Amino acid sequence: EPEVTQTPSHQVTQMGQEVILRCVPISNHLYFYWYRQILGQKVEFLVSFYNNEISEKSEIFDDQFSVERPDGSNFTLKIRSTKLEDSAMYFCASMEGANTGELFFGEGSRLTVL
Amino acid sequence: KNEVEQSPQNLTAQEGEFITINCSYSVGISALHWLQQHPGGGIVSLFMLSSGKKKHGRLIATINIQEKHSSLHITASHPRDSAVYICAVRLNTDKLIFGTGTRLQVFP
Repeated sequence: EPEVTQTPSHQVTQMGQEVILRCVPISNHLYFYWYRQILGQKVEFLVSFYNNEISEKSEIFDDQFSVERPDGSNFTLKIRSTKLEDSAMYFCASMEGANTGELFFGEGSRLTVL
Repeated sequence: KNEVEQSPQNLTAQEGEFITINCSYSVGISALHWLQQHPGGGIVSLFMLSSGKKKHGRLIATINIQEKHSSLHITASHPRDSAVYICAVRLNTDKLIFGTGTRLQVFP
């Protein structure tokens, strides 16, 4: 069964360092998303991406965050200068079409900022 | 006030029991998702609803758009159903707003 894959599964970084989290969505999907979940809290929307551009972003997704689909398969989330409060599980998800509805999530990338 | 409220927050059941988890929301939506988060953290989509009712195996999801309410039912619950069940609403944009989840434990 096709799946969304994320790497790394866990990354530990120093505050102020840049981090890139990678996702490979399901190949025929057109809509891509990043969500995060701080430990013990609910999942939060970060950004949605369609047709090679951001379609919506949350207040969390400030200038320190960026997304890219550099090669038509990978979908990356970059945090330019990590802060302690960026420590969270980051989930990538993809969806085939706007009205097909089902979201497919990756297993998540746990980011720990020290 | 949270835009998506789930109840109960925690639920324990004996194997075989019928389970109901509720979700109420206060915003206009285009769809509602029920998700399952495993103890390891992975998230699986169970249902996407915009009206009516859907059934998949022992799981049933219903939504009442007028009342802004959805329920997830599990019939004949099993210990492997133990997980966090999350309601998430899709706004009339691409944004999902998540509930805080209902932690379900089913004991043999």
